[in-house]
Amino acid sequence: EAQVTQNPRYLITVTGKKLTVTCSQNMNHEYMSWYRQDPGLGLRQIYYSMNVEVTDKGDVPEGYKVSRKEKRNFPLILESPSPNQTSLYFCASSLNRQGTEAFFGQGTRLTVV
Amino acid sequence: AQSVAQPEDQVNVAEGNPLTVKCTYSVSGNPYLFWYVQYPNRGLQFLLKYITGDNLVKGSYGFEAEFNKSQTSFHLKKPSALVSDSALYFCAVRDDSNYQLIWGAGTKLIIKP
Repeated sequence: EAQVTQNPRYLITVTGKKLTVTCSQNMNHEYMSWYRQDPGLGLRQIYYSMNVEVTDKGDVPEGYKVSRKEKRNFPLILESPSPNQTSLYFCASSLNRQGTEAFFGQGTRLTVV
Repeated sequence: AQSVAQPEDQVNVAEGNPLTVKCTYSVSGNPYLFWYVQYPNRGLQFLLKYITGDNLVKGSYGFEAEFNKSQTSFHLKKPSALVSDSALYFCAVRDDSNYQLIWGAGTKLIIKP
């Protein structure tokens, strides 16, 4: 089954404790991205990657890192989480081709206390 | 700059009535337009897309959308609403230059029995 898998689904952590949210897709998609969703703000892109070893900042990259060592994986790293990073996070993937839709993971609800 | 607007934060419709969720866009090249739905505690699911061709696009769950080039709109429609259609709906346009999706803020659709 074609899917984007994020882990964990839920995470509560303390300020400053490094964490990683994993994302993996099995569709051989070149393009992957991370979003955060906050009430009233819709979806905001954090980082994206157009292919292996190619990553770029989205609209709200501060406080986040990503890596793309393999095509299927695109982890999101919070080196020193802060309470303002409490949010719902989504990973998505798609082909690098116009008109193709994106596939989303189930989301990770992160709470930083 | 490319942009998407969903002018209504919330739309309320009685079950069995037709529904419309509005979306307008601004793009410099050919518009690749998408609708996604998000049910509570779930990721975003692709509903339908417009790339080229027929202005009326049919998608999942009985939804359709009408592309109107002169009004730069891509409104989502359904002839007869179901309570189970209650969800958050997002319109998006794909950027020609880097395949990024530009998102609307989302519209909460509430279908009342």
